[in-house]
Amino acid sequence: EVLLVESGGHLVQPGGSLRLSCAASGFMFGNYWMTWVRQAPGKGLEWVANIHQRGNERYYSESVRGRFTVSRDNAKNSLFLQMNSLRAEDTGVYYCSRGSQRFSDYWGQGTLVSVSS
Amino acid sequence: SALTQPASVSGSPGQSIILSCTGTDSDVGAYNFVSWYQQHPGKAPKLMLYDVRFRPSGVSHRFSGSKSGNTASLTVSGLQADDEADYFCSSYTNSSLVVFGGGTRLTVL
Repeated sequence: EVLLVESGGHLVQPGGSLRLSCAASGFMFGNYWMTWVRQAPGKGLEWVANIHQRGNERYYSESVRGRFTVSRDNAKNSLFLQMNSLRAEDTGVYYCSRGSQRFSDYWGQGTLVSVSS
Repeated sequence: SALTQPASVSGSPGQSIILSCTGTDSDVGAYNFVSWYQQHPGKAPKLMLYDVRFRPSGVSHRFSGSKSGNTASLTVSGLQADDEADYFCSSYTNSSLVVFGGGTRLTVL
């Protein structure tokens, strides 16, 4: 069974940093693109970033480019999102998903990030 | 910018409804990489269709997709109570990124 479990979300002040993790199991992690998608409270989905199987290609939305960094550790079946210079508008649930720009076929349950003073 | 979806659509059990998703020549109109996601309150999104019209294993045949020009559509046939949820479309873009629609709340009357 494919399982994605996010962690690391919590309350942080504006301008602060946070590192999210996603632990993957049930599939060959190193064979798949992986993606981060977020959802502000009561709002729609927003694609954030994704990363190639080997980590040599990464793409970011305009709203996070230069502040967020996506990375992965295939040996540990883990995906990460380093978030710096956080803003109030970064608040939301962050989902880890398996897939490329075409689609994401499995999603985690999400981790909540709150940016507030 | 985000793909355009109607905020809400409703239908009675057994009916068919169509959800639309309008983009531009740079995303929906340019590629057959449109996908649809269903999200029940408090739950993670679930992939319902990919590449415009293909259903992942386990998704009911009552869900079907199509595209014409810059508009993609999701048809739900034989509406059931459990279909009531938010539906989001997404598309690959010519910037190698992904754009989502604002989402449609489907209500089963």
